Amino acid sequence: SAVISQKPSRDICQRGTSLTIQCQVDSQVTMMFWYRQQPGQSLTLIATANQGSEATYESGFVIDKFPISRPNLTFSTLTVSNMSPEDSSIYLCSVEGPGKAREQYFGPGTRLTVT
Amino acid sequence: SQKIEQNSEALNIQEGKTATLTCNYTNYSPAYLQWYRQDPGRGPVFLLLIRENEKEKRKERLKVTFDTTLKQSLFHITASQPADSATYLCALESGTASKLTFGTGTRLQVTL
Repeated sequence: SAVISQKPSRDICQRGTSLTIQCQVDSQVTMMFWYRQQPGQSLTLIATANQGSEATYESGFVIDKFPISRPNLTFSTLTVSNMSPEDSSIYLCSVEGPGKAREQYFGPGTRLTVT
Repeated sequence: SQKIEQNSEALNIQEGKTATLTCNYTNYSPAYLQWYRQDPGRGPVFLLLIRENEKEKRKERLKVTFDTTLKQSLFHITASQPADSATYLCALESGTASKLTFGTGTRLQVTL
């Protein structure tokens, strides 16, 4: 299984500012995923990030609000732009298992509070 | 629209009993169904995967069933222990692009 780290683990930000969350994997992976988990809710996929191509966003999420970078096979960033209190959530990155495995391995998450 | 439902109420059971959690879905034809465990403040941890052509899968004290006619999966933990207390999430994948859609999760509390 992959070991995934995220930075920061938590942050408190003022509305109107932006925060960039980093996701580092201990092995090379093709696809990385970014999820949001709002308080008391389940996980919602924001986008899929493949190295060397533009991220693919799910309905309701746009690149201007959540720009994603994927500069290599072990790293990705998600930026939450022009934040509002509604963006307060846990943001998680994940990767697929090795080979043809379909399961995903998740980072510990970044807890974001917007005031 | 696609919908995945898990019992939103917490499930409280006594140590040693079997816990059974339910995942129902509508307007979906998943190729795979997965179960994850999530502890407070942590990311989900993969437990089991079952394919659409499989009826049952086991791993140690865990058992998953998958009924594509009923559009339902059952997740069983036998001989439950307080350490099994967590939120359990089911997730469906259609088979394309590896995208997972998660249910709302059920919180399991195992007491002595």
